[in-house]
Amino acid sequence: KQEVTQIPAALSVPEGENLVLNCSFTDSAIYNLQWFRQDPGKGLTSLLLIQSSQREQTSGRLNASLDKSSGRSTLYIAASQPGDSATYLCAVGAQKLVFGQGTRLTINP
Amino acid sequence: GAVVSQHPSRVICKSGTSVKIECRSLDFQATTMFWYRQFPKKSLMLMATSNEGSKATYEQGVEKDKFLINHASLTLSTLTVTSAHPEDSSFYICSAGGEPYSNQPQHFGDGTRLSIL
Repeated sequence: KQEVTQIPAALSVPEGENLVLNCSFTDSAIYNLQWFRQDPGKGLTSLLLIQSSQREQTSGRLNASLDKSSGRSTLYIAASQPGDSATYLCAVGAQKLVFGQGTRLTINP
Repeated sequence: GAVVSQHPSRVICKSGTSVKIECRSLDFQATTMFWYRQFPKKSLMLMATSNEGSKATYEQGVEKDKFLINHASLTLSTLTVTSAHPEDSSFYICSAGGEPYSNQPQHFGDGTRLSIL
């Protein structure tokens, strides 16, 4: 059974810092890995999707990497802004997704 | 703009009431949609897979008679929480899209916060 873990559970940093969020999964036989953002009381916004054959994806200030052999993914956020404050979730799978518990990120002005 | 629409966004009702939640794919046809449940400060847990024109597939531990799913068209799936009780209070989210070996992400609705008094 696939299990997804995210570390840390919460992170608070000053504005402008670069930061890394971590995601690990137990079964390396995955189709895709997706990073999502969730604002309080809201649904999920897809940030980046990495297919199993890929090693990274970039969108603006975000970069996600995937190392299937070690069962890990990282989400790198450059030059963080207060508007980046949210919960970040990683999930593995194609359609039926298995989610981590998320990292609650706070960017302090 | 949103590609998956979920309605209503919030429901508050008395214990014993049945509540229907709609999930619509706006820009594409979805033969498969997914229903998730999220408890406060917890992650999303898959409840069931909604299959157009056939029975839903429920995850282990999910009561199919409590959570009725209907997927009568390629753009609409509904989740009905029957005879809801306070322990059914939660945040329910649907998703659609994404195919194995594709670069298409899953799209999620904005969720429905259900509060049973």
